[in-house]
Amino acid sequence: KAGVTQTPRYLIKTRGQQVTLSCSPISGHRSVSWYQQTPGQGLQFLFEYFSETQRNKGNFPGRFSGRQFSNSRSEMNVSTLELGDSALYLCASSSAVIRGTEAFFGQGTRLTVV
Amino acid sequence: EDKVVQSPLSLVVHEGDTVTLNCSYEVTNFRSLLWYKQEKKAPTFLFMLTSSGIEKKSGRLSSILDKKELFSILNITATQTGDSAVYLCAVEAGVNYGGSQGNLIFGKGTKLSVKP
Repeated sequence: KAGVTQTPRYLIKTRGQQVTLSCSPISGHRSVSWYQQTPGQGLQFLFEYFSETQRNKGNFPGRFSGRQFSNSRSEMNVSTLELGDSALYLCASSSAVIRGTEAFFGQGTRLTVV
Repeated sequence: EDKVVQSPLSLVVHEGDTVTLNCSYEVTNFRSLLWYKQEKKAPTFLFMLTSSGIEKKSGRLSSILDKKELFSILNITATQTGDSAVYLCAVEAGVNYGGSQGNLIFGKGTKLSVKP
């Protein structure tokens, strides 16, 4: 079965712009989480969506937002981009039916802000 | 503040060696501990541990969790060059709503390099 698909794979944006990233989870998975990975901070949790509702949120500013559609696909939006937003953005999906179900990651979107 | 600490940060070994990677954690509402292998981009799932003292094994890799001492280890025996990667430990923590992923708190990873 198809894995987690993230688009686009690479993005270059300038400061002040906004960007939208997309994540299609594994078929049947209802939970999608987003993570930011940078060399200095490692992988940091952004937020989790389940059945179109945000259930968990990490410690990121309000410029980072997301949503989930009825088909479980999720988008993440970053407004007013800053240089420090340059990172690999990963999404993970899980069935979230059983407690502690493992999460499967997509290949990520590499965002560069110049 | 919840945190996950991995050690060592990097490790260089030769093929055939056995390695042990460490992960300690301090979190509230612990749910599970997961190990991932990250070679280029997508971390790939290795193990999920929820109970103390029960070893999970997959080929040359094995892992065990100690919930009393709050740590886990990942063992790799007879290492191969293909094992070279960053190994990530993550702890799932969060409010106790049923059937949820919660959020994963990651350590900084251990970069393993296996030389031929």
